[in-house]
Parts: sequence; C-alpha cells; structure tokens
Amino acid sequence: DAGITQSPRHKVTETGTPVTLRCHQTENHRYMYWYRQDPGHGLRLIHYSYGVKDTDKGEVSDGYSVSRSKTEDFLLTLESATSSQTSVYFCAISGPTSAPYEQYFGPGTRLTVT
Amino acid sequence: GNSVTQMEGPVTLSEEAFLTINCTYTATGYPSLFWYVQYPGEGLQLLLKATKADDKGSNKGFEATYRKETTSFHLEKGSVQVSDSAVYFCALSLLDGSGNTGKLIFGQGTTLQVKP
Repeated sequence: DAGITQSPRHKVTETGTPVTLRCHQTENHRYMYWYRQDPGHGLRLIHYSYGVKDTDKGEVSDGYSVSRSKTEDFLLTLESATSSQTSVYFCAISGPTSAPYEQYFGPGTRLTVT
Repeated sequence: GNSVTQMEGPVTLSEEAFLTINCTYTATGYPSLFWYVQYPGEGLQLLLKATKADDKGSNKGFEATYRKETTSFHLEKGSVQVSDSAVYFCALSLLDGSGNTGKLIFGQGTTLQVKP
C-alpha cells in the first residue's frame, strides 16, 4: 500500500470556522490531489499540486485553499466552513513516472459542518 | 467537455454470477481509462487500467477493454464473490496539449452487492 495518511480521520465543526485537513505521504511522489466524495457525484477534484509550492485549482475549488511547503505534506483549508462542505475528503498521490496519471488514495477524512 | 457516465446502481448479484458494469466517456483525444474500487470505509484502490484503444486491462479476475469506437470501458468479471462487494468507479485522465495532465475525471460510482 502507498504510504498516505490523512488527519484527522473524522471532524465535526461549526459553520464559519476554519478547518485544515492534512495529507502526508512517505512515497516522495511529486503530484498530490485533494478530492471530495459526495453521493451521486463520484469524486470531484478540489485542488492539486505538481510540486512544492506549485498548486492549481480543480473543478470545485471555491471556498478551499491549499498549501504545499514540502514534498510530503499537502494541506487543505476550508477558510470558513459551510454546511455544503460536509463531505468525505480524499487525498491522492501519483508519480514518479513521466505519465503521472495513476493515483493512489489515502483513507479519507469525514468532515461534518453543523 | 470531458465526462464519465456509469450505469446506475446498486447492482445486486448472487455469488458466481457474471458481472458487467457499463462505463462510457466523452473526452478530447485519447485519454487513459481506469477502474477504481472502494471497499466500505476505505479509500479508492486502482483495479485496472488501459492506456490506448483496444488495450485490455485485467486484475483479480476483472477485465475491461478500451473501445474507442463506442467510447466505452465496461468492467466485467466471470464469477463474482461476496468479497467483491464494493463501489466501483470508472475514470479517465484529462489531456492537454502536451499530453496527460495528471488529473482524473470520475464517474459517479456503481455499488455492487454480492449475496451468498
């Protein structure tokens, strides 16, 4: 199994509070991704990173920001949590081949915004 | 735009039955195609992949063939087991002018339940 951990695994927070989710990898892979999983929508890409300090938006990036200050960590921040951000969040990594399309997923974080 | 459409679930089968989960896609160019599986309470695991037309991906008794003519990548297994109960996701890799972007587009997932 790819060495990917996510923390916390479960979190309940109130509307309007900031929340940060952490993804940590031990594989030294270049690419990292944040997805959210909601019933009927499959997985949707929030943000991704193609290297330290290099990030870009996915299809559902509004209300989220990311940071990657070192290869192994990719942080997702909900700047002011809303109930619509209640979801399961997955981190994924890929690499080190030249065609980085095969992704490996972490165990997920279940976030509930009340 | 780019999209993946899977058959709606849940799919309920008896053990040893034949499985087909349909997947069709819309994409620019020739993306790579994937099937991922998610067991309860876990993240997604790559099940199989195909990178060009007519390629067949296979793993753990599952197979899927990349059909460019019908833009399809249907998942099949000849004899399912209770342990195959999971959610299955079809996905494609997004392409830009220089090739793969590293980004995937997922279908909505199909739940498979296998009964003894």
